[in-house]
Amino acid sequence: EPEVTQTPSHQVTQMGQEVILRCVPISNHLYFYWYRQILGQKVEFLVSFYNNEISEKSEIFDDQFSVERPDGSNFTLKIRSTKLEDSAMYFCANLLIAGGLTDTQYFGPGTRLTVL
Amino acid sequence: DQQVKQNSPSLSVQEGRISILNCDYTNSMFDYFLWYKKYPAEGPTFLISISSIKDKNEDGRFTVFLNKSAKHLSLHIVPSQPGDSAVYFCAVAYNQGGKLIFGQGTELSVKP
Repeated sequence: EPEVTQTPSHQVTQMGQEVILRCVPISNHLYFYWYRQILGQKVEFLVSFYNNEISEKSEIFDDQFSVERPDGSNFTLKIRSTKLEDSAMYFCANLLIAGGLTDTQYFGPGTRLTVL
Repeated sequence: DQQVKQNSPSLSVQEGRISILNCDYTNSMFDYFLWYKKYPAEGPTFLISISSIKDKNEDGRFTVFLNKSAKHLSLHIVPSQPGDSAVYFCAVAYNQGGKLIFGQGTELSVKP
């Protein structure tokens, strides 16, 4: 089965610091997503990215958040000034292309972000 | 945001029996429905999906049923195995490439 990888697996940071979470997508996948799961809560959509631009974002994804594919391969999520409430598991997901029923979003293992 | 609800936080089933997990949604415009399985400290793993034009999709031991009039989705696992023990999330989307909206999850425990 294809694999999405994420680094780091765990990031601890001080409130107000910037963090960058990285995702290595599955080769040839064209759609990219970030989700997060605060402990004990639902998995929530943050942002989707296609053709080098944001295609959709949630109300959680405010000006403190940004995404990019700096080298055309890795997909990153940056939080400029972290808050305590940003502590969560962050998941990257990829989709090859919408079309066949078996096309689906594959999720990475997640990065646990702890803001102190 | 209660667009997708899984009303049972947990379910316990004997090995070999059927597990039935349920999910309700509110918006008839959703077109694509999925089930994911998740272990602690891992990402969600895709299990099975169904589009709104069908009412049943089967893959091995897993079958998803869609009742559009009731806005209800269910996952049947037959026979259940101890390795199926995990948290199961239903998810919906307006289209196949769109964002996924998840339920709260149901923790399934399959006892030997």
